[in-house]
Amino acid sequence: DTGVSQNPRHKITKRGQNVTFRCDPISEHNRLYWYRQTLGQGPEFLTYFQNEAQLEKSRLLSDRFSAERPKGSFSTLEIQRTEQGDSAMYLCASSLSRNEQFFGPGTRLTVL
Amino acid sequence: ELKVEQNPLFLSMQEGKNYTIYCNYSTTSDRLYWYRQDPGKSLESLFVLLSNGAVKQEGRLMASLDTKARLSTLHITAAVHDLSATYFCAARGAGGTSYGKLTFGQGTILTVHP
Repeated sequence: DTGVSQNPRHKITKRGQNVTFRCDPISEHNRLYWYRQTLGQGPEFLTYFQNEAQLEKSRLLSDRFSAERPKGSFSTLEIQRTEQGDSAMYLCASSLSRNEQFFGPGTRLTVL
Repeated sequence: ELKVEQNPLFLSMQEGKNYTIYCNYSTTSDRLYWYRQDPGKSLESLFVLLSNGAVKQEGRLMASLDTKARLSTLHITAAVHDLSATYFCAARGAGGTSYGKLTFGQGTILTVHP
């Protein structure tokens, strides 16, 4: 499968714990985006990487959130000290320059 | 700041009927997307609309774009149960500083019943 992959697909954690998600973009896609989708809403932009550089962060991305894309390949999104409000589907998308974004299957986070 | 609004948010249709979902966006956008999402699943790309007057059709779905009115429509013809899903439109900001991020509408939950 050469599409965007995300792991894990589901994560259940207790409030206050740290979690990390991984996104593997389509090979050779230089742009990578993270979005968050809460129940009943459309996805909202979180952050954007061009190669390894993080060029834009949404105000939704509080200090507890950090994202990396070492070497411009896969990306990780870490949430520290999770809160119940962090429960959502986290979607990763990749694109080749400003072409169409392809979305991964998402990671569903549940914070108890 | 680019904002996208869809209406209606909920749509209950009878099989065989036609209906239209509307998507308005607030500022200049250089691409308009339509996605389908089934419960618990990710986004499936339906259409990409690039220019004013663009019309695309796939099966019972047809999408159009009017950039002057900042309006896109998704028309459903002779609905069938398999079309039941949530439909999102998303606009991509124009200009270099938008970095290609998408701004989504709230989604339209479509239910098709006999």
